[in-house]
Amino acid sequence: DQQVKQNSPSLSVQEGRISILNCDYTNSMFDYFLWYKKYPAEGPTFLISISSIKDKNEDGRFTVFLNKSAKHLSLHIVPSQPGDSAVYFCAASEGNNAGNMLTFGGGTRLMVKP
Amino acid sequence: KAGVTQTPRYLIKTRGQQVTLSCSPISGHRSVSWYQQTPGQGLQFLFEYFSETQRNKGNFPGRFSGRQFSNSRSEMNVSTLELGDSALYLCASSFITGNYEQFFGPGTRLTVL
Repeated sequence: DQQVKQNSPSLSVQEGRISILNCDYTNSMFDYFLWYKKYPAEGPTFLISISSIKDKNEDGRFTVFLNKSAKHLSLHIVPSQPGDSAVYFCAASEGNNAGNMLTFGGGTRLMVKP
Repeated sequence: KAGVTQTPRYLIKTRGQQVTLSCSPISGHRSVSWYQQTPGQGLQFLFEYFSETQRNKGNFPGRFSGRQFSNSRSEMNVSTLELGDSALYLCASSFITGNYEQFFGPGTRLTVL
C-alpha cells in the first residue's frame, strides 16, 4: 500500500518553461512534506519543504503547493534549466511522534531540454 | 560545513556474510536516519537514531540493526546477507528529530553475490 505516490514516472519540458511535478498521499496523519532531487550514484539533495499549516512555500525558482483537502502537493520549477534534469522525490512525515521517518514516493524523472 | 559522509562507498559481499556501514552526520546534527533504495521498492526507511537511542524502526527484519555513538556517528549492520539486500544504503542527518529537513550522504552501494 503506497502512501505517497508520484503517478508520472517521467516528465520532459523545454528549457525556460515551467516544470510541474505532482505527488499524492493517502495518509491523513502526514503533516510535513519535502522534495528531494537525486542524480545517479548520489544521495538525494534537499530542495524545499512545507508544513501542513501552510499551502505554499517558495525558495528561489522552486515553489511547493499543498492542497490538504485533496491530499496533493506539487513542485513548480520556474524557469526550468538543463541542470534540473534529475529524479525528483516527494516525501512525507507524520510529525513529531514519527521522528524523522520519511515515506517517499516512487520518483519522477525530469528531463529539461535545451 | 562538511556534508554527511558514508563509508565505504562500495561493498561486495557474499550470501551469509555480515556487513557494517558507517555514517558521519553533519557537525552539530544529532539525528541520523538510514534508508534503503532498491529499483523494486524505492526508498524505504530503516531506522532513526537520536541522542544514541533508536527513535523509529521501519518494516525490516531483525537482521538489520544499527547504533549511534556519543559523537552522533552511526553504524548499521546487516547480518546473514541475502541477495535481496543488494541496494544503495543512504544515511541522512538532521539537527533535531521530528519535522525537520534531512540531508543525505552519497550512500553505500552494497552488492551481495
